[in-house]
Amino acid sequence: KQEVTQIPAALSVPEGENLVLNCSFTDSAIYNLQWFRQDPGKGLTSLLLIQSSQREQTSGRLNASLDKSSGRSTLYIAASQPGDSATYLCAVGGYNKLIFGAGTRLAVHP
Amino acid sequence: GAGVSQSPSNKVTEKGKDVELRCDPISGHTALYWYRQRLGQGLEFLIYFQGNSAPDKSGLPSDRFSAERTGESVSTLTIQRTQQEDSAVYLCASRGRGLNEQYFGPGTRLTVT
Repeated sequence: KQEVTQIPAALSVPEGENLVLNCSFTDSAIYNLQWFRQDPGKGLTSLLLIQSSQREQTSGRLNASLDKSSGRSTLYIAASQPGDSATYLCAVGGYNKLIFGAGTRLAVHP
Repeated sequence: GAGVSQSPSNKVTEKGKDVELRCDPISGHTALYWYRQRLGQGLEFLIYFQGNSAPDKSGLPSDRFSAERTGESVSTLTIQRTQQEDSAVYLCASRGRGLNEQYFGPGTRLTVT
C-alpha cells in the first residue's frame, strides 16, 4: 500500500529564505508526482507535475525533483515571500488516483 | 474557461440525515475523482469515474457512501445516515483525456452535528 510522508509538518521562515520541502513515498511504481498548494478555505492549486520518467520540473521560483528509486521528491522554493504562505501537498499518481501526504504548513513572515 | 465547481460550499446537517454533494467537472474532462480531507490531514481517495467504465469505488469508507455520474458530466456523492466522523471537506477533481494533471474544485465543507 502506497504511503506518502511529508517533512516537516510545519515551517516558519523569514521572507527571502530559500526553502526545501520533502516528500517520501513507499512504492516506486508511480505514474507521476504532483505538488499542490492549498490556501485556507480553498481548493488545491497544482504547482508542478513530474512524470515518472522525469527528474525535475521548474516553474518560476519553484523547482521540484523526483528520485523514484529512493522514493523521494523535494520542492525547492527560492526567495520566499509572504504570499507563499500556504499548505503544500505532495501527491503520487497511480493509474486512477492520487495518494496524498498530510502536507507541510508554510508561514513566511515579513 | 470555467474550472471545477462544487455545491454547496458548506453544509451543516444533523447526525442520521442523508446529504448530497454535487460536482461539475471541467467540460470535456472524462475522468472525475472524489476525495475527502479531514481536519489537519491529507486527502483520501474515495471514488474514480472514467468515461463509461465501471467506477473504482475502492476508497469509499462504508456502504453509507455512494456516488453517481451522468455520462461525462455532473457527479453526486451521497452520504446516508451521516455520522460525526463524516465531517470533512469533500473535494472533486477532473482530468482531461490523455492528460495527467487533476484539477480540483473548491470543495464542500460538511459538518455533522
